[in-house]
Amino acid sequence: GAVVSQHPSWVICKSGTSVKIECRSLDFQATTMFWYRQFPKQSLMLMATSNEGSKATYEQGVEKDKFLINHASLTLSTLTVTSAHPEDSSFYICSAPRSGSSEQYFGPGTRLTVT
Amino acid sequence: AQRVTQPEKLLSVFKGAPVELKCNYSYSGSPELFWYVQYSRQRLQLLLRHISRESIKGFTADLNKGETSFHLKKPFAQEEDSAMYYCALKYSGTYKYIFGTGTRLKVLA
Repeated sequence: GAVVSQHPSWVICKSGTSVKIECRSLDFQATTMFWYRQFPKQSLMLMATSNEGSKATYEQGVEKDKFLINHASLTLSTLTVTSAHPEDSSFYICSAPRSGSSEQYFGPGTRLTVT
Repeated sequence: AQRVTQPEKLLSVFKGAPVELKCNYSYSGSPELFWYVQYSRQRLQLLLRHISRESIKGFTADLNKGETSFHLKKPFAQEEDSAMYYCALKYSGTYKYIFGTGTRLKVLA
């Protein structure tokens, strides 16, 4: 089966600093990846679509300058939370579809805590 | 507007009882619907998709276009079914999904 990994699994950072989260497709290539934010006991909120070789597409209300997305290769997308604030603390999840399948493969998530 | 609605945040049933998790959608195109499950401390994983018309772990879901629903059903709930269940709709022509707010299923012994 297709596997998507995320690194780190959890991170604590100080307010005002930036933190990078990686999403990798381990055994397949993904020209598109998705980044979600999940609040405790709530649904997944799609933040942006990461496109290999082009700019990410952000959902309405998501600050593109705050949540920088780079799809560096066919197996790696990164989300950088810039100038983090405590309200950015959340669980960030990425997903990727495999070519020819409409199924999404999800990463295990990254818990970000901003102090 | 495109929308996926799961009206129940929490559903508690006893082991062996039937369970139905409701999902309604609003979509102008031809819908492709999925159920994803998230067990405790695990990642989201696909449970089933309407196109396959399959039964996974005893669960089934039928797309009812007239009622714009895709309810998930299982005749006899098991304790291991306790999890968070998300209904998702895929936009036509893309891989993008809309997720419902999720229903937490608790199966009581």
